[in-house]
Amino acid sequence: EDKVVQSPLSLVVHEGDTVTLNCSYEVTNFRSLLWYKQEKKAPTFLFMLTSSGIEKKSGRLSSILDKKELFSILNITATQTGDSAIYLCAVAGYSTLTFGKGTMLLVSP
Amino acid sequence: NAGVTQTPKFQVLKTGQSMTLQCAQDMNHEYMSWYRQDPGMGLRLIHYSVGAGITDQGEVPNGYNVSRSTTEDFPLRLLSAAPSQTSVYFCASSFRTGDWGTEAFFGQGTRLTVV
Repeated sequence: EDKVVQSPLSLVVHEGDTVTLNCSYEVTNFRSLLWYKQEKKAPTFLFMLTSSGIEKKSGRLSSILDKKELFSILNITATQTGDSAIYLCAVAGYSTLTFGKGTMLLVSP
Repeated sequence: NAGVTQTPKFQVLKTGQSMTLQCAQDMNHEYMSWYRQDPGMGLRLIHYSVGAGITDQGEVPNGYNVSRSTTEDFPLRLLSAAPSQTSVYFCASSFRTGDWGTEAFFGQGTRLTVV
């Protein structure tokens, strides 16, 4: 059975802090790992990672994948209150996309 | 606008009632799926389809039926609603099964309450 584990499950930080969110996985027929941000509605796409060691960046967010150790991290630098959300990690096998439980991030002013 | 369209956005059912959640995409995506999201549980896969006429069960299929008669539509049926099915439901699609060159596209969700 495919499994995706995210940690921590929740996190409270102050504006300006840097945070690291973790995602480990056990998936047969691994194709890619995806990160999503979810506020009040549907998840919105952040990154897709397929190769180890190649960092993807978008503004203050970055992510990297380690296919040998089966994990990924999502970093957010200089956090802002608008970063408050649930961050979901998902791993794509051949025919399914399996999600972790998410990390709920709260950034206080 | 292109994308995944889910209807309705909100629904209240009485225990034992039936209903169908609609999902349609106009991107010619091969792969479509239904998830439910409960607090602290992430998204859990209910059913998925890798093409018209083909469906399969996900992690939590009990109490739900699906069909895929066309590429565009993937309705989710609750035959006899139960309070345990109170949840937010998301439909998602992607271009090609097994080739996640594009991310999954999500509908806006249906908030279902069963009383």
